[in-house]
Order: sequence, then structure tokens, then C-alpha cells
Amino acid sequence: EIVLTQSPGTLSLSPGERATLSCRASQSISSNYLAWYQQKPGQAPRLLIYGASSRATGIPDRFSGSGSGTDFTLTISRLEPEDFAVYYCQQYGSSSFTFGPGTKVDIK
Amino acid sequence: QVTLRESGPALVKPTQTLTLTCSFSGFSLSTRQMYVSWIRQRPGKGLEWLALIDWDDDKYYSTSLKTRLTISKDTSKNQVVLTMTNMDPVDTATYYCARSFGVGDFDYWGQGTLVIVSS
Repeated sequence: EIVLTQSPGTLSLSPGERATLSCRASQSISSNYLAWYQQKPGQAPRLLIYGASSRATGIPDRFSGSGSGTDFTLTISRLEPEDFAVYYCQQYGSSSFTFGPGTKVDIK
Repeated sequence: QVTLRESGPALVKPTQTLTLTCSFSGFSLSTRQMYVSWIRQRPGKGLEWLALIDWDDDKYYSTSLKTRLTISKDTSKNQVVLTMTNMDPVDTATYYCARSFGVGDFDYWGQGTLVIVSS
């Protein structure tokens, strides 16, 4: 089973700053099968990025994804107040799905 | 408009079997490359994928839980059912169903249902 590691665990930033979140896989995965989600308290996760770099419907362009192989990045170019949340990466492979442990982006 | 909604008991006793239903609209699970998964989240913890069923009635399970899980679908009712046997307090979690169109990511989620396992 592929294990995903996310860093940092918590990212403390101010509105307007740039956020860079990392997701590392224990073995190489297809970029087609790497996604990012945002989750706010009491809500279901929301798909942000699929295929490592494609924004889901309705996602603002301040969110971008990049990477390949074992290293992937979610970047939020300028944090808006509504962006403070937990972010998860997720991969699909060999008929199984795994999620990373999450990165919490909180207000500094 | 795609929507999913989970339903089931809020409280189950240890050793009991949990049955959850995902009722959905806005898509058909008979459409090629359509999938519905169950995913859970323990309180304050991360996301854990449990099971998936596809348009062709193929089923896939989490390796760690496969002996306890059964997923099924009723295409005519637009429902997917998950059963989990031998429930334990560590299974206390919010259980989500989610759709995939083309395997890889979950583009629509239900709001989740909290299941507490306690005697």
C-alpha cells in the first residue's frame, strides 16, 4: 500500500501570504491519480485539484497543484480568510485509495 | 445537480453490524466509469477509504477492513449500501459516501453521518 506523508503538519500564515503544502508518496504514483482536498470543520472534504494539477470545477485560480513521481505540491498563491482549513492529498493505485494525514493551515 | 446523502443508525453497540445507505441523485451508477466509495473519518483524525463499487458491480475493499465490509448497490433506487460487521468503539467515526467519475478522485461527497459505537 502506498503511504502518503504531508508536511508541514501545521502551517501558520497570514491572509495574503503564499502557502506551499507538500505531499510525498512512499513509491511513485501516476500523476493522473493524485488529488487534493480542502476540509473545514464540520464539513465534508471538497475536491480542489485532480490529476496532480487540474483545478476542479469552481476552484479559484489561486489554488494550483504540481509535481510528479513521489513529490507533489499544493500552492495557494494568496491566502484568503476562507482558505484556512485542513488540506489532504490522496492517491489511487492498485484498486486502493490512500489519504495523507493532512496539513492544517491556520491564521498566524 | 449531483447530491449524495448518507443514512443509518447514529448509535450501535459493540459486536453489532452497521448498515449504512448512500442515496444519490444527479447521476447513474450504471454509467460506465462511475464509482461510489465509502470513506470514514474518526473524530479529530484523517480520512480513511473503506470500499468502492463500480458501474459494473466490481467491488474493492480496504485491505485492513476487507473481512468486515460488504458494499452493494441498487441501481434502480440510486443507492449504495455498506455493511460493517463486528463494530468496535474504535469504529466511531463520520462515514461519508463519495462519487468518482473515472477512477482517481472523489468529486462529490455526502455531508457524512456520525456513527458512535458504545454499549
